[in-house]
Amino acid sequence: NAGVTQTPKFQVLKTGQSMTLQCAQDMNHEYMSWYRQDPGMGLRLIHYSVGAGITDQGEVPNGYNVSRSTTEDFPLRLLSAAPSQTSVYFCASSHRQGGAYEQYFGPGTRLTVT
Amino acid sequence: DAKTTQPPSMDCAEGRAANLPCNHSTISGNEYVYWYRQIHSQGPQYIIHGLKNNETNEMASLIITEDRKSSTLILPHATLRDTAVYYCIVRVAWDSGYSTLTFGKGTMLLVSP
Repeated sequence: NAGVTQTPKFQVLKTGQSMTLQCAQDMNHEYMSWYRQDPGMGLRLIHYSVGAGITDQGEVPNGYNVSRSTTEDFPLRLLSAAPSQTSVYFCASSHRQGGAYEQYFGPGTRLTVT
Repeated sequence: DAKTTQPPSMDCAEGRAANLPCNHSTISGNEYVYWYRQIHSQGPQYIIHGLKNNETNEMASLIITEDRKSSTLILPHATLRDTAVYYCIVRVAWDSGYSTLTFGKGTMLLVSP
């Protein structure tokens, strides 16, 4: 299993440009999430999905869109990039084990908006 | 989900046990305690979770007090590669409806030679 994969690893955008961060998992997990992490901070949830076709907003959803057309893929779209979206973005997938969840993270995408 | 409190940083000598505390005094009966760690520039890594009983796996042990208001993550023989930020997170069981992980600032563990 590749686990959770993210592309690209690095990206530089100009203000106003749009782009899609890709996330895929091959573990058949129901749940997927996107987080951002700013320097010296913990992770903050952007959007999440509890299954194909079902998404919901997290703590910091503004400026981002998601969709979940398949179990495997959960892309994150930046509609009009702003310098405040400079961050490291992590995708995660999780499944239930007993009453708990086990959550697995991808390696991250480092985004700079100039 | 209940809030957790962790010390901002800890030191440990290589080869010794690292004991990382976490306070979760408002935890509810259906909430699990999870530990994750994040090595610099990498994605967070799941370590262990527990509900009431102590748990052990190949990475670590989790000791939960009888009243469940605090817990300790134990790395029995810390190595330099265990230097990371460790996050203690409390989260409801899945049958209470899906909930997401809420990361605080964690504990920066520095393992020294």
